[in-house]
Amino acid sequence: DSGVTQTPKHLITATGQRVTLRCSPRSGDLSVYWYQQSLDQGLQFLIQYYNGEERAKGNILERFSAQQFPDLHSELNLSSLELGDSALYFCASSAPSGAFYNEQFFGPGTRLTVL
Amino acid sequence: AQSVSQHNHHVILSEAASLELGCNYSYGGTVNLFWYVQYPGQHLQLLLKYFSGDPLVKGIKGFEAEFIKSKFSFNLRKPSVQWSDTAEYFCAVNAGGNQFYFGTGTSLTVIP
Repeated sequence: DSGVTQTPKHLITATGQRVTLRCSPRSGDLSVYWYQQSLDQGLQFLIQYYNGEERAKGNILERFSAQQFPDLHSELNLSSLELGDSALYFCASSAPSGAFYNEQFFGPGTRLTVL
Repeated sequence: AQSVSQHNHHVILSEAASLELGCNYSYGGTVNLFWYVQYPGQHLQLLLKYFSGDPLVKGIKGFEAEFIKSKFSFNLRKPSVQWSDTAEYFCAVNAGGNQFYFGTGTSLTVIP
């Protein structure tokens, strides 16, 4: 157990819909990262938040957005869903400095299926 | 665009065989390099990392990796694999400060 929790574990929805994925970092970690893992594109970095502020952006689509709340949990919002958004979405957290060279601790992931 | 290549998609070895998994990246500046592992049914976890100093890095469970800057490589090695090393292995690169790239992963199956 990494100490990072993600809900829900599984999510099945239809095209065009909107979903919210939730992540709680390890106690004391200020940084949260979101990743998408799909069969054809592997594990892709989407976005990083540090203490409530966006710090780094990767290959995140405009239809996707994220935020980090004062209690440090984070939510990833996916809208206008397409079949190709079906993937495993991971959240990770890291030590207080938020630097990328720190070890990231990964959650178990949320499997999203878009039908 | 920056990229991380893991040439071996699926490797099958017998126990006690030696392991080397390739990882190459394309970025000319300063990099921090990682190997993460995902055991069946478990979350991704760090095996080892390099960000400065000795280019030969030792990690957990007997794994090591060597950073060869001239070859843009960070290959993972283990002299003698065990059945419990069966897992998915991911190379990752932190490039340019705030970008992070994973390779597509190598699935390792160790036959007892």
